[in-house]
Parts: sequence; structure tokens; C-alpha cells
Amino acid sequence: DAKTTQPPSMDCAEGRAANLPCNHSTISGNEYVYWYRQIHSQGPQYIIHGLKNNETNEMASLIITEDRKSSTLILPHATLRDTAVYYCIVRSHIQGAQKLVFGQGTRLTINP
Amino acid sequence: DTGVSQDPRHKITKRGQNVTFRCDPISEHNRLYWYRQTLGQGPEFLTYFQNEAQLEKSRLLSDRFSAERPKGSFSTLEIQRTEQGDSAMYLCASSSRTGSNTDTQYFGPGTRLTVL
Repeated sequence: DAKTTQPPSMDCAEGRAANLPCNHSTISGNEYVYWYRQIHSQGPQYIIHGLKNNETNEMASLIITEDRKSSTLILPHATLRDTAVYYCIVRSHIQGAQKLVFGQGTRLTINP
Repeated sequence: DTGVSQDPRHKITKRGQNVTFRCDPISEHNRLYWYRQTLGQGPEFLTYFQNEAQLEKSRLLSDRFSAERPKGSFSTLEIQRTEQGDSAMYLCASSSRTGSNTDTQYFGPGTRLTVL
């Protein structure tokens, strides 16, 4: 079972920041938070991951709370091409814990 | 394009037929994964290879399913005696765990199977 909880859907206006929340209250110390997204009929696309520090790359920023029980993915200037299902996943990097466990994700719709 | 390729992209078959899918991972990646995704659901893990060794299989992988990675490069997933419930998107991912690399999985475009 997925260890994360996400809202099933969200809307955002084009050009605005999209903030996608994720709850992972049972996360353990060696588990990372990963974000993927899946545009209709395509394979999941890796976005970003982090352990406890905030992370930023060319696609997004990841803000993890100090207690690590929740996080927020931020798309700073959303475009129509960001419409997708976004998955928040917690995953350990220890040996024998390779698989990704996907939940239902958040369906983000960017409106013109 | 992540560098992971899958073939074919679409397959339509009749119930009872056998099908085989191929995945070519990113060339330097030693780990390869298969997932299945049905309509409206997130991907579900099927199996995982490190080099040529199959190290984990999900209970979803029934006796009709077999996966191989004979030389530690490309992989095949075969489904024998297909059933309508096998209709899904089959996704392949690859990763590399070397040094401080965090083993991020990169996915291919998937093979969509329709069983009539």
C-alpha cells in the first residue's frame, strides 16, 4: 500500500505557481520523498526527490516540513503542458527496497 | 525521451494468445523494473532485475508471466495464454546504483496491451 496521501484533484491557472501537497506521516528516517508525474498515455516522468532538505531543479521545488511528515511540490510558473497526474512516493534507498509504490496521485489541471 | 525504449508501443491480441514485450534500458543502467498500470490506477510493481538476476517478483506476476534479462541489457516480458484482465499498460524503468547515485528510476513510454 502507498504510504502517502494526496488530494485527488487540483486546478491552477496558467502562469501561477502550482502547490501540490503530500502527507507521509509514517515516513521513516531512511526514506526519501520522490515526485513523478504522468501525462496522459505516457510513462511516468521523474521530477525531483529529497530526504530532509528542500530541493530545487529546473522543473520544480520540493519543500519538506521539518518533521518530514508532509511535503509540497511547487511548479513555479505552471503551463498547460504541466497538466498531468502527480505522484508522491516515499522510498528507502537501503538494499532490497527498490520498487516504487504508487498511490492514486493528484490530477492537476492547468487552466488557461 | 528518457532513453528507455519499449517495443511494441501497442499490442492487440486475442484471448489465449501469447505476447512478448521488449524493454531497452538506459545503456549504463544495471537495474531494470517492470510495472503494470490499469486504467485509472497508478503503476504497480511486477518484477526487478539487477544485471541478469531477477531479484524480486510481485505476487501479481502469475505463472503465465515470465520476465528475462539474459545478458543484463535488454529485458523481455512474456504473457502466456492472455486473458482480458491482462489488458493494461506495461511499463519498464531502469536505474543505476553506483557510488552516491540515488538510484532514480526512469521510465519508458510503455506498451499498451489490449486483449480481445
